[in-house]
Amino acid sequence: DTEVTQTPKHLVMGMTNKKSLKCEQHMGHRAMYWYKQKAKKPPELMFVYSYEKLSINESVPSRFSPECPNSSLLNLHLHALQPEDSALYLCASSLMSTGELFFGEGSRLTVL
Amino acid sequence: GESVGLHLPTLSVQEGDNSIINCAYSNSASDYFIWYKQESGKGPQFIIDIRSNMDKRQGQRVTVLLNKTVKHLSLQIAATQPGDSAVYFCAETAGNNRKLIWGLGTSLAVNP
Repeated sequence: DTEVTQTPKHLVMGMTNKKSLKCEQHMGHRAMYWYKQKAKKPPELMFVYSYEKLSINESVPSRFSPECPNSSLLNLHLHALQPEDSALYLCASSLMSTGELFFGEGSRLTVL
Repeated sequence: GESVGLHLPTLSVQEGDNSIINCAYSNSASDYFIWYKQESGKGPQFIIDIRSNMDKRQGQRVTVLLNKTVKHLSLQIAATQPGDSAVYFCAETAGNNRKLIWGLGTSLAVNP
């Protein structure tokens, strides 16, 4: 199994809603990532978890709250988002010893 | 250098021709480089990587060339096919840094 699975594929939410994005991998990877990608731009790193601990937070606003319940799962909790947060949110994972990232298909988020 | 602004650099090729996508990287300390392919509506997909102790690496129909003197990376795709149409990103990293630095991307359009 060489897949990173993200749900939901599409999400529309209002600025007062609370929602979560989910990511799962069963490749035994110990690093997991959240990226944000705007149209026609490269992915921007948000968070990195290494061995289930948050190791990198790229100064992301607190309305985005990551969670890593176990080595296979990664969540991104969303609350009080702004319309400019609308984007494709990508989850990725990697073995600790290599730089190759395996990406999911992404969750397309629209904030109204 | 890389283009800036709202529009991705675009390379248009005829099916069957060879494609060359270029990337200028930013950090002279970077020692690991990756090319990703991103099709419309999908997450980035690993194509090929190269370490700084090499100047060329070949895969299936793809070759990556690294010129450290001028900090230049290129991806060559042989016998380009319609399925190669996508945005191609180069990425670099240094040492055990988990953070990839991404190029702006090049859109490859393959004409039948």
